[in-house]
Amino acid sequence: GENVEQHPSTLSVQEGDSAVIKCTYSDSASNYFPWYKQELGKRPQLIIDIRSNVGEKKDQRIAVTLNKTAKHFSLHITETQPEDSAVYFCAASIPRGSARQLTFGSGTQLTVLP
Amino acid sequence: NAGVMQNPRHLVRRRGQEARLRCSPMKGHSHVYWYRQLPEEGLKFMVYLQKENIIDESGMPKERFSAEFPKEGPSILRIQQVVRGDSAAYFCASSPGREAGELFFGEGSRLTVL
Repeated sequence: GENVEQHPSTLSVQEGDSAVIKCTYSDSASNYFPWYKQELGKRPQLIIDIRSNVGEKKDQRIAVTLNKTAKHFSLHITETQPEDSAVYFCAASIPRGSARQLTFGSGTQLTVLP
Repeated sequence: NAGVMQNPRHLVRRRGQEARLRCSPMKGHSHVYWYRQLPEEGLKFMVYLQKENIIDESGMPKERFSAEFPKEGPSILRIQQVVRGDSAAYFCASSPGREAGELFFGEGSRLTVL
């Protein structure tokens, strides 16, 4: 089955610095890679996603890059702010017959220090 | 435009009792997913349902757990004879179709087994 590894598990940065979170996946059939942000006690919310036919996608301070050959993708947050502090999950989606399943990484606790 | 609605938000049960968690998908969505999140861990896929059909239950424990999504009414995740290890947050998510895309999560149901 699909396995998604996420690193680091915790990350602390100074406000204004950049943060990078990396994920690797095992199934080459994976075709969709979303990133979710989860604040304490809240639901996961999609912040950005990328499909396998694209190498990079950017939305304001957030960008995601995908290397299909190496089977890894990364989340980049620039000019971090205290409100960026949360747990971030990567995920990979594989088609399985008529089904689709998102497999999540174990999460990265990002702390932005003021 | 209500999002994914889950209830109850918090549920306390004693060992051996039954827990029923309900999920109403977003309007227009007919695909429902259940995920379990243990404290400070990632989201583990449990089951994927369409109306009246279980599409993928590969993440469901073999015993005590069941899920349904009837033609009318919410999807229900049922846990019989709960044990302390069942204590977790159970998140429901919905999507409009089978194609890989954003999952919209509910706020979760937090089960505590005493």
